[in-house]
Amino acid sequence: DQQVKQNSPSLSVQEGRISILNCDYTNSMFDYFLWYKKYPAEGPTFLISISSIKDKNEDGRFTVFLNKSAKHLSLHIVPSQPGDSAVYFCAAIPNSNYQLIWGAGTKLIIKP
Amino acid sequence: ETGVTQTPRHLVMGMTNKKSLKCEQHLGHNAMYWYKQSAKKPLELMFVYSLEERVENNSVPSRFSPECPNSSHLFLHLHTLQPEDSALYLCASSQGLGRYEQYFGPGTRLTVT
Repeated sequence: DQQVKQNSPSLSVQEGRISILNCDYTNSMFDYFLWYKKYPAEGPTFLISISSIKDKNEDGRFTVFLNKSAKHLSLHIVPSQPGDSAVYFCAAIPNSNYQLIWGAGTKLIIKP
Repeated sequence: ETGVTQTPRHLVMGMTNKKSLKCEQHLGHNAMYWYKQSAKKPLELMFVYSLEERVENNSVPSRFSPECPNSSHLFLHLHTLQPEDSALYLCASSQGLGRYEQYFGPGTRLTVT
């Protein structure tokens, strides 16, 4: 049973618009969340993280929002650029552990 | 070389073969990880080493055998694999265990025939 779910396998967005990637989790013990980005033939690279004591974290064009009551987080990319086309993984860490629990990923396609 | 490197990038092996995957990190990190990524599935953590000691073995079959001779190198020895073991094997490292960013290598695409 997946504890971290990314229900959209793919998402297509026009260049310049906002991309919103969603992630849901089931384990209330998760207290740290991360987003990774993966290009083909490369390993995942860290993008942005958020602790459960916050509800928002921003880094340039990337903002992660956390809604603990809904057990939901989202990654906003604005404005979207062609280089943002990649697979985005959501991951979570429980407060009792250090292991990352990963979602299955969402493939983001930015259309010119 | 910078970051995390993995060799080989692609590997095709028969079920009776023995092969090894190699990972090297040039970041001065103390923790290293092996992950398995099957198509359209989440990354699965296989093994974790911290300061060259294995701290996690997530119910991985014994046909996968890790080795960490020093803090910069990690190996995954493979023997008598099954076709369902075909996947992308990713190595990662981090400064330590916990809320540290993990840095990944490019992976080894393994096909078992």
